[in-house]
Amino acid sequence: EPEVTQTPSHQVTQMGQEVILRCVPISNHLYFYWYRQILGQKVEFLVSFYNNEISEKSEIFDDQFSVERPDGSNFTLKIRSTKLEDSAMYFCASSEASRPSGANVLTFGAGSRLTVL
Amino acid sequence: GQSLEQPSEVTAVEGAIVQINCTYQTSGFYGLSWYQQHDGGAPTFLSYNALDGLEETGRFSSFLSRSDSYGYLLLQELQMKDSASYFCAVRDRKAAGNKLTFGGGTRVLVKP
Repeated sequence: EPEVTQTPSHQVTQMGQEVILRCVPISNHLYFYWYRQILGQKVEFLVSFYNNEISEKSEIFDDQFSVERPDGSNFTLKIRSTKLEDSAMYFCASSEASRPSGANVLTFGAGSRLTVL
Repeated sequence: GQSLEQPSEVTAVEGAIVQINCTYQTSGFYGLSWYQQHDGGAPTFLSYNALDGLEETGRFSSFLSRSDSYGYLLLQELQMKDSASYFCAVRDRKAAGNKLTFGGGTRVLVKP
């Protein structure tokens, strides 16, 4: 079964450092997303990406965040200068766009746990 | 914007039936989805309702009433492996990026 893969599974960094989280979405999916989940809390939308550009972003996704699709398979989330409150599980997800219901069916990766010290 | 309300926790015994309610407020509406998340795991898609009524997928069913801005997930013949958090999520038709907004999650604890 196709899956979304994420690396690293866990990253520990010092406050102020740059972090890049990597994702390989499902190959025939066209929409890509980053969500985050602080421990014990709900899944929060960060950004969606379609046709090589950001289609929507939340208020969390400020200037410290950026996304990129550097080649045909990878999708990355960069945090320029990490803060303590960025500590969370970051989930990449992808969805089909070929049918109306497809966009409601997100396939999530296993997540990258970011710990900022 | 969107907001979703669901109970924080439900406890039940194996074999029982659990209903998780979800009420939502959104400026547009393009479907109510349900996701399951085990501790330490990723959310996984369970079901989706775009129209009023009941959708059945094995032991799990999901219901939607658009006029009441309300839906529920029904878990039948509960098994220990069903212990997890369950999130409802809505997609706002106006959202250009297909953003799903998730509720706070309902933690279901299944006891022997």
